Order: sequence, then C-alpha cells, then structure tokens
Amino acid sequence: GAGVSQSPSNKVTEKGKDVELRCDPISGHTALYWYRQSLGQGLEFLIYFQGNSAPDKSGLPSDRFSAERTGGSVSTLTIQRTQQEDSAVYLCASSFEGQGGYGYTFGSGTRLTVV
Amino acid sequence: AQSVTQPDIHITVSEGASLELRCNYSYGATPYLFWYVQSPGQGLQLLLKYFSGDTLVQGIKGFEAEFKRSQSSFNLRKPSVHWSDAAEYFCAVWRDDYKLSFGAGTTVTVRA
Repeated sequence: GAGVSQSPSNKVTEKGKDVELRCDPISGHTALYWYRQSLGQGLEFLIYFQGNSAPDKSGLPSDRFSAERTGGSVSTLTIQRTQQEDSAVYLCASSFEGQGGYGYTFGSGTRLTVV
Repeated sequence: AQSVTQPDIHITVSEGASLELRCNYSYGATPYLFWYVQSPGQGLQLLLKYFSGDTLVQGIKGFEAEFKRSQSSFNLRKPSVHWSDAAEYFCAVWRDDYKLSFGAGTTVTVRA
C-alpha cells in the first residue's frame, strides 16, 4: 500500500485478555519494526523482522509478547494476558532491507488501553 | 553505546517566532541522524535526515537542521512557526545494528 497501515487504531481490553495488533507495511519493504511508546518512556524498540524471520527480538518485554510475519508482508504483534502496564501506543514501521539508515516509514499506531 | 539526548522536554513558542530544538548524540562513528515529528494521535513523520556532506540539511514543512560534529549536536530549527507545528519532535540516530534509537522527545506548544 501507499503507507504503513495499522489496525485497530484503538483497542480497549480487559486485564488478562489477549490482544492482536496488525501491521501492513509498504509494499516491497522487507524490513519491519515494532516500537512501543509509553507515557514518559519515549520510543522503545520491540522487534525487527527481516522478511519473515526476526533476527532481533531483544526488545520484547516479556514472554507474553510475541510477533510473527507472514508472506514477507503483514505482521501481527500478540500480547497474552494483558496487564495494565501494557497500555501504550504500539507503532509499526517499515523500510527497504538494508536501507533503514535512510529512515523508516511509520504507521499511525495502535493505542492499547488495558482496564 | 549510541544514544540521543533531547535536553528540552517542553518548549512554548509564539506563532511567528523562531524555534530551535536541541539534540545531542553519542556515537563512535559518523552518525546517521534524523528528526521526526508526531502530531497528536498520529504516527511519526520524517522531517529530515543527515548522512554526510553538507552539514545544513533542509527538510519538509520549512524545517532545517545543522550537524555539528564538534558539539555532537543536530539541532532542528524553523524561522517562523505556525500553529500547526504544535507537536512532539523526536531526534534519532541510526544504529549500525539496524535500529533507530530515539531521544525522549520535545513537546512544542504554539501560542497565538
């Protein structure tokens, strides 16, 4: 597509429920990134995909977080047994492989609220 | 380790006045540097980037930034701000392990 698309734009969930956040990157962008933006915490790297594989999952905060990417395109970030501290804006970005140094293109984010 | 510091958390500026946002980086080699802007409820939009060459970089929306190696700085400027420039601004450095490392951000408020 023309830009990075994320859905849903807003999600309110009850503590303990599982949520799935979706990212559809720019067509042809083989690199995909997830970041988390929490109030007062800035932008926190979560995971990086190169094609369908994730060479760097170092930013995932706990084993409740997982992500996958299929077909070298759409990615899903799953949070199991959500906690209130998971409330944040989750941002997805993409770039051409090896060209992240030219800057990423970000989606508008999913605002997750855990109540 | 590479890092980015934005010393100002919040800046208030009058419409029509000039704006300068500070960014200092820590990096062992020639850095790739970026400024992003985030309007309320939106994702991050790339304003400009520096890789090498001319140290004064022009970006979108009338913004420019100057890379100063001696000061490890990459400050963002705009000669005359508009109300629509109210947003949060992030400085970032490209890490050679493919990650962008962001500063904490500076919130800009524009008063009439």
